[in-house]
Amino acid sequence: DAGVIQSPRHEVTEMGQEVTLRCKPISGHNSLFWYRQTMMRGLELLIYFNNNVPIDDSGMPEDRFSAKMPNASFSTLKIQPSEPRDSAVYFCASTQQGDYGYTFGSGTRLTVV
Amino acid sequence: DQQVKQNSPSLSVQEGRISILNCDYTNSMFDYFLWYKKYPAEGPTFLISISSIKDKNEDGRFTVFLNKSAKHLSLHIVPSQPGDSAVYFCAASYGNKLVFGAGTILRVKS
Repeated sequence: DAGVIQSPRHEVTEMGQEVTLRCKPISGHNSLFWYRQTMMRGLELLIYFNNNVPIDDSGMPEDRFSAKMPNASFSTLKIQPSEPRDSAVYFCASTQQGDYGYTFGSGTRLTVV
Repeated sequence: DQQVKQNSPSLSVQEGRISILNCDYTNSMFDYFLWYKKYPAEGPTFLISISSIKDKNEDGRFTVFLNKSAKHLSLHIVPSQPGDSAVYFCAASYGNKLVFGAGTILRVKS
């Protein structure tokens, strides 16, 4: 099992550009979560999906952020337009619904300059 | 609104001694509590958990204690080893989602 796969590992972009982060969850897991890690706030939940359906997006900071899960094996988190304050490490995690032992990906370190 | 708080940003402990990491929470609806461990450039990994109906859970060198009346939990590592040096996140659940604290950096000195 390759685990949760995120791409890219690092992304450096200019302010105003569109950024797309990608995640492939573990096969068979039906819950997927996007988290953002910052020094000040630690790990913040942005959005999560059950069976490809968005359940709670109350953590998405602004309309500039959007997330999709078109099928059980792929999800994207898009920021358009990006701003320097979006710089953080973004993690994707997956699990079987009801199991709190999430498996996290290695994260995408986003730097917006 | 930080529902899960880890008030100590860092902790330094001598190898072989006990490490105690603390966590406080505010939401009485949380029903499950977990600790995750994170090494640099990796995602957090699940370490140990405890249900809200228990007050202690032990797994090898790791023990988690829950004090519901104080809304406090702690992670004890005995004995501490240099390989335990990492960031430790406390997490609490309700519904299907986890709320994480800001993390505590543990350094175990040899």
